[in-house]
Amino acid sequence: GENVEQHPSTLSVQEGDSAVIKCTYSDSASNYFPWYKQELGKRPQLIIDIRSNVGEKKDQRIAVTLNKTAKHFSLHITETQPEDSAVYFCAPITGGGNKLTFGTGTQLKVEL
Amino acid sequence: ETGVTQTPRHLVMGMTNKKSLKCEQHLGHNAMYWYKQSAKKPLELMFVYNFKEQTENNSVPSRFSPECPNSSHLFLHLHTLQPEDSALYLCASSLDRGTHEAFFGQGTRLTVV
Repeated sequence: GENVEQHPSTLSVQEGDSAVIKCTYSDSASNYFPWYKQELGKRPQLIIDIRSNVGEKKDQRIAVTLNKTAKHFSLHITETQPEDSAVYFCAPITGGGNKLTFGTGTQLKVEL
Repeated sequence: ETGVTQTPRHLVMGMTNKKSLKCEQHLGHNAMYWYKQSAKKPLELMFVYNFKEQTENNSVPSRFSPECPNSSHLFLHLHTLQPEDSALYLCASSLDRGTHEAFFGQGTRLTVV
């Protein structure tokens, strides 16, 4: 089956620092790479996504970079704020485009 | 509010009970999903429906039975569950399978006693 791994599993940063979370996948046919944020007690929500025809995408303080050759993509958060504290999941499409396979999640804590 | 509504929000059931979870979306989406989220594992895909047809059953035990009567509604029928089935069950929908944003409901917190 598809293998999706995230690193690190937990990440603690000081407010204002940058955070980077990496997602490694095994399905070479994957062509859609989203990141979801799940705050405590809430549902997962899409924060940014990228398709395989581009290498980087930015949206204000958030960016995603893709390396299809190495089969990994990363979430970058700059100038972190306390409200960025949450669990982040990558969810590359797998199974011939049939489903999103969620990674193991990264607990990000932004400390004051 | 994502436009995906799940009921009930909380459910406590005995191992011999039969209950159903309901998910509803009026976003015009064609694909609907059931995910299980527990403390020990990440979001686990259970079932995928596309245009009311089941396209994925991720080796889910038969005590979980999905039903999709139309593109707007998805049910998960539960019977003879085990305590280890206690988890948050999340429904999601997307415009089409895979390559579009998935909108999640708030989930049903299930406790099996």
